[in-house]
Amino acid sequence: DTGVSQNPRHKITKRGQNVTFRCDPISEHNRLYWYRQTLGQGPEFLTYFQNEAQLEKSRLLSDRFSAERPKGSFSTLEIQRTEQGDSAMYLCASSLKQGFGYTFGSGTRLTVV
Amino acid sequence: AQTVTQSQPEMSVQEAETVTLSCTYDTSESDYYLFWYKQPPSRQMILVIRQEAYKQQNATENRFSVNFQKAAKSFSLKISDSQLGDAAMYFCAYRSVYGGSQGNLIFGKGTKLSVKP
Repeated sequence: DTGVSQNPRHKITKRGQNVTFRCDPISEHNRLYWYRQTLGQGPEFLTYFQNEAQLEKSRLLSDRFSAERPKGSFSTLEIQRTEQGDSAMYLCASSLKQGFGYTFGSGTRLTVV
Repeated sequence: AQTVTQSQPEMSVQEAETVTLSCTYDTSESDYYLFWYKQPPSRQMILVIRQEAYKQQNATENRFSVNFQKAAKSFSLKISDSQLGDAAMYFCAYRSVYGGSQGNLIFGKGTKLSVKP
């Protein structure tokens, strides 16, 4: 296992298009988190899953955003009708339920033009 | 709600010298975790060091150590014998052990550390 994998690394899309990102966590980690990081800011929490259940969503996650984690394995984050304000780095992290260390992926950098 | 504040947007240190990055936080909880993460340019975020609030002893990891002052809600990171590879953004983060947000990290805005050769 080589850690948390995110694809694609970079995505450029036109405003109004839909985009989908994928995260493959460390296999034995049952918690998976999505964060958004804009330039000059720290990461902000979006949502997290324990196994396949989405347990919490931030108010940052508007109804244009949806996340899934089928079968408690990989996760996808979809943004519909993208806006320029969605341009950011989207980070995925995973952890064990009882552990408190996160492992982050390299992120997907989204640019909306 | 918990908040994390890093008051130093940028810091600079000479190679082989020591630098301290500041972090303060606000919480009403008595038990929690604190972290320092390093984010090199265009690379993934890496855990540097972590501290459990119930432990009085300051955490140490090789050249990295923290000064945890629970009453003052302060959690600074000291980097000794700074190396060129230490240049990165450093984020302080808080994690609650209670409630609906269990497990979520709350980050500060970061401190950009430059290391001069």
